[in-house]
Amino acid sequence: ETGVTQTPRHLVMGMTNKKSLKCEQHLGHNAMYWYKQSAKKPLELMFVYSLEERVENNSVPSRFSPECPNSSHLFLHLHTLQPEDSALYLCASSQSGAGRRNEQFFGPGTRLTVL
Amino acid sequence: LAKTTQPISMDSYEGQEVNITCSHNNIATNDYITWYQQFPSQGPRFIIQGYKTKVTNEVASLFIPADRKSSTLSLPRVSLSDTAVYYCLGHSPSSNTGKLIFGQGTTLQVKP
Repeated sequence: ETGVTQTPRHLVMGMTNKKSLKCEQHLGHNAMYWYKQSAKKPLELMFVYSLEERVENNSVPSRFSPECPNSSHLFLHLHTLQPEDSALYLCASSQSGAGRRNEQFFGPGTRLTVL
Repeated sequence: LAKTTQPISMDSYEGQEVNITCSHNNIATNDYITWYQQFPSQGPRFIIQGYKTKVTNEVASLFIPADRKSSTLSLPRVSLSDTAVYYCLGHSPSSNTGKLIFGQGTTLQVKP
């Protein structure tokens, strides 16, 4: 247990569906992240939220829409996905700030399959 | 953030010491070097972080020479459960976002 939970753990959806991934951190951190990990590829940073504001969006398609309602919760809303979006989606949190070690704590991930 | 280069894969046997070297020729003066471990279908886990010389914790040691252009993660007496992907990353402590960039990592296979 890392203190970061993700639901659901597995998700199968069609290309016309709308679904949401949820992440919750119980560590009192001030930054949260979404990563995508496709098969045999490095983790790709998708979004960074610091103090509930999005500070990074790495050219992610608009069919992925993040939401950070407070410092403990992070959502990734999905709509009209493509089969190539099938991957492991990982959420992480950290206590960020100048001079900090910034150890990121990862959740277990959501295994997404788009049919 | 420093661009890092490390071997794609390594094999070892139980009980051996494993050293994984990472190159980071363009590391900035303020960058730290951080290593993460990832098991299949799990998120990465922080192992160790250092700036220079040697850092040791209960899991591993990290050696960073004076020029800081490379670093070596040392895992003493590995077991089968150490089979994982190991990532070397540069981290700037002046960053307020805590952004990390993961590369391909090194897949370590420990054999019995």
